[in-house]
Amino acid sequence: GQQLNQSPQSMFIQEGEDVSMNCTSSSIFNTWLWYKQDPGEGPVLLIALYKAGELTSNGRLTAQFGITRKDSFLNISASIPSDVGIYFCAGQLRRGGATNKLIFGTGTLLAVQP
Amino acid sequence: KAGVTQTPRYLIKTRGQQVTLSCSPISGHRSVSWYQQTPGQGLQFLFEYFSETQRNKGNFPGRFSGRQFSNSRSEMNVSTLELGDSALYLCASSLAPGAPGYEQYFGPGTRLTVT
Repeated sequence: GQQLNQSPQSMFIQEGEDVSMNCTSSSIFNTWLWYKQDPGEGPVLLIALYKAGELTSNGRLTAQFGITRKDSFLNISASIPSDVGIYFCAGQLRRGGATNKLIFGTGTLLAVQP
Repeated sequence: KAGVTQTPRYLIKTRGQQVTLSCSPISGHRSVSWYQQTPGQGLQFLFEYFSETQRNKGNFPGRFSGRQFSNSRSEMNVSTLELGDSALYLCASSLAPGAPGYEQYFGPGTRLTVT
C-alpha cells in the first residue's frame, strides 16, 4: 500500500530538547495532518494544514505545509516525557468530489529520557 | 461529547471465519472511514462512508466490506479470514468528507488476531 516517507524513523532525546521530523511525498496534497499515537490507542490529531506555505502552532508543536505541496514538517519544542509516542504525517487530496482518504507516513517513534 | 467508539476492542478468530467490527462516530458526525494498521504496511485506507453510501475504497480484496446505517454507525466485515488480516482496525469520523476544518477523529481501534 501507499505510504509517505517520514524521517527520522526513530528519535531518542533528552527532556527539554527540540525535535524535528519531516514527511515527503511524490504526489501533491492539499491538506497535511499530523497525528500522535500512543500504544494501544488510535491516532490523535495534533495539527491540520490547508495551504501551501502555512505555518501553524499548537502549544509547543509547530508544523509547516511545504511550498511544493509535497512535504510537511513538524517541530516539538522543549520536549517532555509525555511527548513519547509515534508521530504520523498524513496527506489528503481533495480532488473533485470530497474524500476523507488519508495517506499516512511511515511514522516517527519518539522516546524522551527524563 | 463522547469520542469515536469501536467494539469489540479485542478479537481472536480462526482462519476461514468471518468477523464484523462496529464503529459509532462522534455525535453529529456523518462520515466514517476505516483503516487497517499493521507493522509491515502501516496505516492503510480501507473505505469511507457518508450518508450510507460508500464514497471511496482502498486497495483491499473483496473479502473486506462495510456499510453505514441511517444513524451514521458503521460496520466492516471481513470474510474468510487469513493470517495476514491480523491488524489494528481503526475507525475515524468527521462531520463530512474532505472539507477543510472537517478533521477526522479516530477511535481506539479493534485489535484482530487471526490464528
